[in-house]
Amino acid sequence: NAGVMQNPRHLVRRRGQEARLRCSPMKGHSHVYWYRQLPEEGLKFMVYLQKENIIDESGMPKERFSAEFPKEGPSILRIQQVVRGDSAAYFCASSPVRREEQYFGPGTRLTVT
Amino acid sequence: LAKTTQPISMDSYEGQEVNITCSHNNIATNDYITWYQQFPSQGPRFIIQGYKTKVTNEVASLFIPADRKSSTLSLPRVSLSDTAVYYCLVGVHSGNTGKLIFGQGTTLQVKP
Repeated sequence: NAGVMQNPRHLVRRRGQEARLRCSPMKGHSHVYWYRQLPEEGLKFMVYLQKENIIDESGMPKERFSAEFPKEGPSILRIQQVVRGDSAAYFCASSPVRREEQYFGPGTRLTVT
Repeated sequence: LAKTTQPISMDSYEGQEVNITCSHNNIATNDYITWYQQFPSQGPRFIIQGYKTKVTNEVASLFIPADRKSSTLSLPRVSLSDTAVYYCLVGVHSGNTGKLIFGQGTTLQVKP
């Protein structure tokens, strides 16, 4: 059973461009979570999704950030008009049900130049 | 969600037992205690979870006193590969939220 897949692993964007981060949860998992880790800081929750639904987006910045988890395909975290402060590692996690044992992917490291 | 307090860093040597204690004075009745491990440039990995007394798996043991206001993660005979950040989390199963609240964690450095 493959683990949580994230791509790309590394992404470089210039200020003002868009960044799209993809996450394929583990097989059989319908709950997806996105976290952000700024350099030298802990992980911060961003958003929690189930198939076609956003359950909790309390950690998501109100502007420029959006997330989706369509019926088919991976979950997408989209950052529009990126700024240098968006440079971070973005981790996706999945779980079979709403519980605390979440399985994390390897992360996408976004660098904004 | 209950706030947790754990040491920022710890040093150990190969072969020693390491105990990392986490304080969670405001833990709620239905809260479980969960520990995650994170290696550099990787996502966190679930280690162990418990509610009370003692839980043991192939990786670690978790000791929880009767008042549940603290917990201790015990790593037997650590090796260099156990160098990582260890996070203590206290959360709830109820409600709509499934999010994990990570603190700053404890950076464990294992020396040869």
